[in-house]
Amino acid sequence: DAGVIQSPRHEVTEMGQEVTLRCKPISGHNSLFWYRQTMMRGLELLIYFNNNVPIDDSGMPEDRFSAKMPNASFSTLKIQPSEPRDSAVYFCASSTTSSSGSQHFGDGTRLSIL
Amino acid sequence: DQQVKQNSPSLSVQEGRISILNCDYTNSMFDYFLWYKKYPAEGPTFLISISSIKDKNEDGRFTVFLNKSAKHLSLHIVPSQPGDSAVYFCAASVRGSGNTGKLIFGQGTTLQVKP
Repeated sequence: DAGVIQSPRHEVTEMGQEVTLRCKPISGHNSLFWYRQTMMRGLELLIYFNNNVPIDDSGMPEDRFSAKMPNASFSTLKIQPSEPRDSAVYFCASSTTSSSGSQHFGDGTRLSIL
Repeated sequence: DQQVKQNSPSLSVQEGRISILNCDYTNSMFDYFLWYKKYPAEGPTFLISISSIKDKNEDGRFTVFLNKSAKHLSLHIVPSQPGDSAVYFCAASVRGSGNTGKLIFGQGTTLQVKP
């Protein structure tokens, strides 16, 4: 039973480059969440989708960040241009809108911007 | 403004003893609370949850207690095992009729269980 799959697991790139993080949610889950974890701010929600529609993007730090969910099985988080302060671990999670509502997380993408 | 706070960044206990992890929140609209466990290089894993209409939920060695008047919840692990060593996150949500599932996380507490 596949969990949430994120790629790449690690990304190292130079500032100014475009970065694309990918996520495949658990099949049948209709909510998808992108989080960022840093030492300073902990685990913070960037954006989430219900049924492929962005519901709340208030956590997206600035216009350099964008997220898409073209279908129920795929989402991307893009940073363009990237900056060193974007270095963090980015997690994707998915869930169903059930009474439990617990989210299932991927193992994250560790992003380093040099 | 941190709506969910875990004031203890770390906790160390002896194997077999009780671990108590604490969490405070400020938003009285939160009606659902969850605990997640995270090992290094892995994503957080759901552990246990509690609805605001309850004051206790138990699952094996794990029990979550909710004190709504104090806006405080705690996770008890008994007996603690070395494999419980991980970072524990408290999370809260406003579910309501919309049930968006948006979670607000605390900063996490690193638990070390010594053999």
